[in-house]
Amino acid sequence: QVQLQQWGAGLLKPSETLSLTCAVYGESLSGRSWSWIRQPPGKGLEWIGEINPRGSTTHNPSLKSRVTISSDTSKNQFSLRLTSVTAADTAVYYCARVRWVQVVLSTNYYTDVWGTGTTVTVSS
Amino acid sequence: DIQMTQSPSSLSASVGDRVTITCRASQSVGRCLNWYQQKPGKAPNLLIYAASSLQGGVPSRFSGSGSGTDFTLTINSLQPEDFATYYCQQGYSTPRSFGQGTKVEIK
Repeated sequence: QVQLQQWGAGLLKPSETLSLTCAVYGESLSGRSWSWIRQPPGKGLEWIGEINPRGSTTHNPSLKSRVTISSDTSKNQFSLRLTSVTAADTAVYYCARVRWVQVVLSTNYYTDVWGTGTTVTVSS
Repeated sequence: DIQMTQSPSSLSASVGDRVTITCRASQSVGRCLNWYQQKPGKAPNLLIYAASSLQGGVPSRFSGSGSGTDFTLTINSLQPEDFATYYCQQGYSTPRSFGQGTKVEIK
């Protein structure tokens, strides 16, 4: 059974860089896409971005160029970096596994395994 | 970007009730629509993918339907453990946007 274990600094000051890592157990990182999703306190879910099996990444344009998602196949881990954080980046951050299925003429992407979440607070 | 809108934002229901939550996309997503359940302090849990496919281990009282821009999540015979917040997400294009959530509360 696949499990995701995530960690990273939980308290940051404005302008610092958020750095989180997610270790994948029970499955090889290769051959899957992996995602980061966040949830501000009391609010809904926001898709941050994902990395595909070829190492290509895509991210939410709302985060502009502050986001970097990378992977280390030798450690079976993937990571999130978010630069120049502000209080608006305070949230629970989740790593997740992405799967896809063909539906008629389209491909549906969905997340079926989630990490437990890391609470990140940005405060001066 | 595709905007996802759920209704209602919250509802009160009793054990045994049938509950329906709707999700509307700002443009067609075909059948690329997923539903998640989230309980307080926990990560979301996948219920339905590709509009109507039940994820393994999810009770059959959950069902999904729809295509294009309009989708529905139905819970037949609501159980105590179903009181939670439900989110739709389009899996058609990036950014893979979520609806704002529907909180199902005990009446």
